[in-house]
Amino acid sequence: AQSVTQPDIHITVSEGASLELRCNYSYGATPYLFWYVQSPGQGLQLLLKYFSGDTLVQGIKGFEAEFKRSQSSFNLRKPSVHWSDAAEYFCAVGDSSNSGGYQKVTFGTGTKLQVIP
Amino acid sequence: DGGITQSPKYLFRKEGQNVTLSCEQNLNHDAMYWYRQDPGQGLRLIYYSQIVNDFQKGDIAEGYSVSREKKESFPLTVTSAQKNPTAFYLCASSSKNYGYTFGSGTRLTVV
Repeated sequence: AQSVTQPDIHITVSEGASLELRCNYSYGATPYLFWYVQSPGQGLQLLLKYFSGDTLVQGIKGFEAEFKRSQSSFNLRKPSVHWSDAAEYFCAVGDSSNSGGYQKVTFGTGTKLQVIP
Repeated sequence: DGGITQSPKYLFRKEGQNVTLSCEQNLNHDAMYWYRQDPGQGLRLIYYSQIVNDFQKGDIAEGYSVSREKKESFPLTVTSAQKNPTAFYLCASSSKNYGYTFGSGTRLTVV
């Protein structure tokens, strides 16, 4: 069964500092990987996704993530954090074996990001 | 603009009542999903549907029911059999290109 671990429940960074959110997955083959962001009381918004190819993926809002197969990781990074980035971030892994329809997606438990002035 | 609309935003349920959460999408997506979100537990899949008139149980389907009579609509009913229904419920849809689009959620509270 596929699974996702986000080891950091809560992270605090200063505005303008760099950010890295950790994500480790468990899956038997090359997975589909995602990062989502959620503001309080809202739905989730897709930041970026990895299906295949270049292991460094660029997303919206200046975020990027790197797929490292040897470490089973897909960490999210941003070089300079803005106060508006404060939110909860979810890593997710999808089943790549079914390309025609539904692919089961498993979400991590989330990392809450606090940005201080 | 295309998207997913969930209603209502807040819902209160009395003990023993069934309540229905609405989810409508105009993205022409084939697949739709219902997730439950509790603090510290991430998102857990309740039900999903790939085509009209067909749906499958997810990881926590007990106490919930769904229907998919139209491609655009995937309502979720929280029945009285769900013993702990207080949570944030999220509806999502996806196309074959993957990546979920989420609604803004419904917060259900038992009173």
